[in-house]
Amino acid sequence: NAGVMQNPRHLVRRRGQEARLRCSPMKGHSHVYWYRQLPEEGLKFMVYLQKENIIDESGMPKERFSAEFPKEGPSILRIQQVVRGDSAAYFCASSPNGELVTFGSGTRLTVV
Amino acid sequence: GENVEQHPSTLSVQEGDSAVIKCTYSDSASNYFPWYKQELGKRPQLIIDIRSNVGEKKDQRIAVTLNKTAKHFSLHITETQPEDSAVYFCAASNSVGSARQLTFGSGTQLTVLP
Repeated sequence: NAGVMQNPRHLVRRRGQEARLRCSPMKGHSHVYWYRQLPEEGLKFMVYLQKENIIDESGMPKERFSAEFPKEGPSILRIQQVVRGDSAAYFCASSPNGELVTFGSGTRLTVV
Repeated sequence: GENVEQHPSTLSVQEGDSAVIKCTYSDSASNYFPWYKQELGKRPQLIIDIRSNVGEKKDQRIAVTLNKTAKHFSLHITETQPEDSAVYFCAASNSVGSARQLTFGSGTQLTVLP
């Protein structure tokens, strides 16, 4: 089992561009979570998805951010028109049951 | 929703001493409490967890205690070593409809001084 795979590991975008972050959960895991971590801060919940469904998006900004977890393929976190404040590490995690969560290595987004 | 508070935010101890990190939670329905360790630049990794039907759990130098009445739980690390230096996060599992998700504390930066 390859674990939770996130790509890219590092992503640089200019202000106004779009960022697409990918997450492939562990085999057999149908629960996917996205967390954002600002430098020297904690993990902030963004969104919780199961296959084709958004269960809870209460932590995700209403504008510019969207997430999906299609029937086939990885989960995608999409940030449109990025701003400097979007610079952070974005961690994906997956779980078979909503509790035993395994994290990916994260995508470090830098907006220049 | 669930709210998890974690203290202290930073903790320095001498090698060999014990370290204690405390968390409180708000949702009395939470019943699963994991602890994660995050080394610099790496992913958070589960180090120990406890369920609400147990008051204490130990794994070598690491132990976790849970007080359901007071809604707080603690991580205890004994005989600390420099490699224990990392950020530690507590979490509580709460329900979202029929599903469950983890709410994390803000983290504790532990530094073990040689």
